[in-house]
Amino acid sequence: GENVEQHPSTLSVQEGDSAVIKCTYSDSASNYFPWYKQELGKGPQLIIDIRSNVGEKKDQRIAVTLNKTAKHFSLHITETQPEDSAVYFCAASTDYKLSFGAGTTVTVRA
Amino acid sequence: SAVISQKPSRDICQRGTSLTIQCQVDSQVTMMFWYRQQPGQSLTLIATANQGSEATYESGFVIDKFPISRPNLTFSTLTVSNMSPEDSSIYLCSVVRGAGDTQYFGPGTRLTVL
Repeated sequence: GENVEQHPSTLSVQEGDSAVIKCTYSDSASNYFPWYKQELGKGPQLIIDIRSNVGEKKDQRIAVTLNKTAKHFSLHITETQPEDSAVYFCAASTDYKLSFGAGTTVTVRA
Repeated sequence: SAVISQKPSRDICQRGTSLTIQCQVDSQVTMMFWYRQQPGQSLTLIATANQGSEATYESGFVIDKFPISRPNLTFSTLTVSNMSPEDSSIYLCSVVRGAGDTQYFGPGTRLTVL
């Protein structure tokens, strides 16, 4: 089955700086790559996604890049704010089934 | 997006008992899934809830332990049977709407087994 690796496991950034989280996947059949933000006591919230026919997608301060050849994709958050502090999960989808990375705990220092 | 509710939001149960978790969506969806998130861990797919037929389980999960129903396009239940402390987790339902593959999650049910 699909194996998704996510790095780093924890990330501490100064408010206003950028944060980058990287993921790799193993199944070349995966064609959809969402990113979720999970705050304490809540379910995962979809923040951005990218499909295999697209190399980059941006939504305000958040961007995702995909390299199908290398089987890796990354989340970029610019101008970080304290409310960006949460656990972020990457995932890869094959036939609608999501395989998740281990998660990255992001802390934004004021 | 989709408005998803789960009941109960949390529960504390005794070893050997069973708990049924409900997932309700505000409008019809094409696919529904159940995930488990063990304490401090990532999410693992338990099964796909199929409307009007038996759920499709992932490796490591069996129907006797996690029976699932999906009687219509907006509702599903997951039962955690004969619970042990190792079943203490957050259980989440997710849905896909329409022909797309965007998946939305409910708020989760936090289960503690003593």
